[in-house]
Amino acid sequence: GQNIDQPTEMTATEGAIVQINCTYQTSGFNGLFWYQQHAGEAPTFLSYNVLDGLEEKGRFSSFLSRSKGYSYLLLKELQMKDSASYLCAAGGYGQNFVFGPGTRLSVLP
Amino acid sequence: ETGVTQTPRHLVMGMTNKKSLKCEQHLGHNAMYWYKQSAKKPLELMFVYSLEERVENNSVPSRFSPECPNSSHLFLHLHTLQPEDSALYLCASSQLHGTGNEQFFGPGTRLTVL
Repeated sequence: GQNIDQPTEMTATEGAIVQINCTYQTSGFNGLFWYQQHAGEAPTFLSYNVLDGLEEKGRFSSFLSRSKGYSYLLLKELQMKDSASYLCAAGGYGQNFVFGPGTRLSVLP
Repeated sequence: ETGVTQTPRHLVMGMTNKKSLKCEQHLGHNAMYWYKQSAKKPLELMFVYSLEERVENNSVPSRFSPECPNSSHLFLHLHTLQPEDSALYLCASSQLHGTGNEQFFGPGTRLTVL
């Protein structure tokens, strides 16, 4: 079966660092994706990992361990505008691509 | 031209109405998707068109009917909906059979069924 698990909610302070974890079990694997979704808006693509290790993109980094079925998204120097839901997605092609429930991050001043 | 467009952005309809949602992608992708997102629930995959062939999620009620006339256009035909069908309906596209098949989303249609 397919299953993706993330924490439901997280809170952090402006300027801090936060790590959002994701564990997955999927049929087929073509990569692990992270999306950001602000309330009432569509998800936007943040990062993609297909090999083990850390991918860094500005203030955002994403890590993948395929053997453990585990990923995390690291957000540095948090800003108020980073308050959003962060969706982990994994799987193969087409219908085998599954989104997690999302983690709602609140950044406090 | 933005990557994935959806019309209308907002739709209010009665339970006896028939309406259609439209999605168009300008990215040259070969797969298109319909998702439903209800309040405080994860994205639910409704339909996938891969190389213009439909892969259907069997749990979707027949009052939702997709149509994909070509690789750039996707429709979702709605009829005799229920109030619990009120949600944000998102269209997405991706390129299959390559690496980095991230999905690009349209802005969504906010549907309210009275």
